[in-house]
Amino acid sequence: DADVTQTPRNRITKTGKRIMLECSQTKGHDRMYWYRQDPGLGLRLIYYSFDVKDINKGEISDGYSVSRQAQAKFSLSLESAIPNQTALYFCATQGAGELFFGEGSRLTVL
Amino acid sequence: GDSVTQMEGPVTLSEEAFLTINCTYTATGYPSLFWYVQYPGEGLQLLLKATKADDKGSNKGFEATYRKETTSFHLEKGSVQVSDSAVYFCALTSYSGSARQLTFGSGTQLTVLP
Repeated sequence: DADVTQTPRNRITKTGKRIMLECSQTKGHDRMYWYRQDPGLGLRLIYYSFDVKDINKGEISDGYSVSRQAQAKFSLSLESAIPNQTALYFCATQGAGELFFGEGSRLTVL
Repeated sequence: GDSVTQMEGPVTLSEEAFLTINCTYTATGYPSLFWYVQYPGEGLQLLLKATKADDKGSNKGFEATYRKETTSFHLEKGSVQVSDSAVYFCALTSYSGSARQLTFGSGTQLTVLP
């Protein structure tokens, strides 16, 4: 089993719908991150959390929210999805200075 | 703010060719530098890293040297294989307030032909 698991792996939705992307990890790391990947733009940080009570905005947090339900779980929500949120989303944990990524969740907003 | 600039792709090479992917950075202080690789359909994996000037990171035949004087961290491999086909990301540690996080370049797609 993967150390960092994301669900769903693929999702197609319509404008205005609420979407939740879930991430769970078995690495025991406190630090977790949500990134968005767009062609030609690399990865951009949406939100990060250093422990259950610590949530921080990244460079592109507008239109997103997160919930850290437990050390192992970090969810990303789009309250009202819009087409320019179509992207590949990655969850990551951090330990010993290294990031460990999930396999990604591809979201398409029509 | 801190930033990473990568050589634009895509890059297409024949098997056993020499690879260089350029990466330059702008940062305050002394960041650590990383190369991550993303194979098709997968998340990113750490390929190598260097934490101070003149350090050389190496892994799987890939190398990169932290050059402070030229603010560069170019990725090289002497003889690429078809299995090296992937997207390569250069990254550095940066700080937002007191928080340490990674800033990524835009990625370079490498395709190696048999």
